[in-house]
Amino acid sequence: GNSVTQMEGPVTLSEEAFLTINCTYTATGYPSLFWYVQYPGEGLQLLLKATKADDKGSNKGFEATYRKETTSFHLEKGSVQVSDSAVYFCALISNFGNEKLTFGTGTRLTIIP
Amino acid sequence: EPEVTQTPSHQVTQMGQEVILRCVPISNHLYFYWYRQILGQKVEFLVSFYNNEISEKSEIFDDQFSVERPDGSNFTLKIRSTKLEDSAMYFCASSDDRASQETQYFGPGTRLLVL
Repeated sequence: GNSVTQMEGPVTLSEEAFLTINCTYTATGYPSLFWYVQYPGEGLQLLLKATKADDKGSNKGFEATYRKETTSFHLEKGSVQVSDSAVYFCALISNFGNEKLTFGTGTRLTIIP
Repeated sequence: EPEVTQTPSHQVTQMGQEVILRCVPISNHLYFYWYRQILGQKVEFLVSFYNNEISEKSEIFDDQFSVERPDGSNFTLKIRSTKLEDSAMYFCASSDDRASQETQYFGPGTRLLVL
């Protein structure tokens, strides 16, 4: 079945540090890959997505590249801000006709000034 | 910007009681979903709903669970007789096309505590 393995948290970084949150996946077919973010007290928001191999999703300074050869979709940001503190979820949908997002466990990121 | 809303934000109930969690999806969306997250665990798919019927459900979604779209705006999840292990954050989501084609937009969640 489909699964997503995500870097364990929590992660604490200083402002302006470089961020990487690792995500690898197992899926049937050719999945679409997503990063969702949950800010305190809010719902899950789509941060970025990629729908085929070698695509790069980007938004708000975050990037992730769909690497089929390593089945990975690592999230990166060059210089984090305090406002990036949130929980980040890697997820996939297998394009094999099913309906559901399969999520990783989430990584709590805290940025300290 | 349109958003998915959920009520209540928190609910505490006694084991064996029925609960109804409510969601208002984005108005032009056609596909609706419920997910849950037990504290410290993964977000898990429960059910998807399209054209007034369930299109897919997980093994978690047993006979104690049901979903309904009682009018043109609400989408509800009912748990008939709650168990302690139903304590979780429940998220509603909607999309304007099949999940594999389009982004799912999530609500803020309802935190359910079963005592």
